[in-house]
This record gives sequence, structure tokens and C-alpha cells, in this order.
Amino acid sequence: DQQVKQNSPSLSVQEGRISILNCDYTNSMFDYFLWYKKYPAEGPTFLISISSIKDKNEDGRFTVFLNKSAKHLSLHIVPSQPGDSAVYFCAASSGNAGNMLTFGGGTRLMVKP
Amino acid sequence: EAGVAQSPRYKIIEKRQSVAFWCNPISGHATLYWYQQILGQGPKLLIQFQNNGVVDDSQLPKDRFSAERLKGVDSTLKIQPAKLEDSAVYLCASRGTGSYGYTFGSGTRLTVV
Repeated sequence: DQQVKQNSPSLSVQEGRISILNCDYTNSMFDYFLWYKKYPAEGPTFLISISSIKDKNEDGRFTVFLNKSAKHLSLHIVPSQPGDSAVYFCAASSGNAGNMLTFGGGTRLMVKP
Repeated sequence: EAGVAQSPRYKIIEKRQSVAFWCNPISGHATLYWYQQILGQGPKLLIQFQNNGVVDDSQLPKDRFSAERLKGVDSTLKIQPAKLEDSAVYLCASRGTGSYGYTFGSGTRLTVV
């Protein structure tokens, strides 16, 4: 039972354009959401997060949007850069679950120069 | 601050052999996690420690996997005997009190042949 899903395994975008990565979840108890970025042969690194009391959080070129009614969140990267090419994981947490993170399957982003 | 240290980085073993992985979390982080990431999938939680106690090991295949964190600092994960389907990257992560996000190590890539 996948509680967090990333339905697009890969995404290709031209440098300078917007990248939009999507994530859906099924567990209504999730109240905190995070995006991690992973380069080959490295562990995932934290990128940006959002609490369920917000619908948007912005950090530089990265913005995360949360639609609780649709149980959907998205990560926007503007403008996209070749260095953004990586695998992006969406993760969700519930305070009642001891803050264990449940991850989606990841989306591989390729930004072409 | 130093990151999460893991060793070895790579390991190749034959099926039915034993293997052990080591993790040293960020100093002061009470919570430690072991995740398994199979190629093309998101990380899946194997076990969560709080200091030297187990919080959640519901997804740990206990017939072959074991983990310990005896002094509440570093941790070892063991597989005995290994199966082909255990081929994956094993990620260790730690989390500080009051933080939602984890810091991951670089992982150990295990190949079972």
C-alpha cells in the first residue's frame, strides 16, 4: 500500500524553464511534507518542506505547494538549472507516527542545457 | 557539523553469506533510522531507534535482518543469510530533537550475487 506516490518516474526540462514535480498521498494523518534531492552515489539531501497549516512555502528558486483537499503537493523549480538534474523524493510525516518519513518512489529530473 | 557516516560504501557478497553495515549519526541526534532503497524505488524504513531503544521495526525482515544501537550512538545492521532481493542501497539517517527532517548518510550499496 503506497501511501505516497510520485506518478512520473522522469521529467525532462530545458534550462531556464520551470520544472514541476508532483506527489500524491493517501494518508490523511500526514501533516508535514518534505522534498529530498538525491545525486548518484550520495544520500538524499533535504530541499524544502511544508506544514499542513500552509499551502505554499518558498525558498529561492524552489516553491512547494500543498493542496490538502486533493492530497497533492508539487515542487516548482524556477528557473531550472543543469545542476538541478537529480532524483527528487517526496516524503510525508505524521506527528502521531513519531515523525517517521514515508517516501514516494522518486522522479528523475533532467535539465538540458 | 560532521554528517552521518556509513561504511562500507560498496559490498558484493554471494547469496547465503552474511554482511554488516555500520552507521555513525550526527553527534547528539537521538533518533536513528535504517532505510532500504531498491533501484527505482523510494527509501523504505527498516528500523527506527530512539537512543538505544527500538521505536519501530515492523518492516524489518527479522528472520534475516537484525540491527542494534547498543550505546545509543552508532548502529550496525546485519543481514544473515543474504538473498538476491536484498540487493539495494542501505541508508542510515539521523534526526535531532524537534526536527522533522532527516540527515542521510551516503549509503552502502549491497550487491548479492
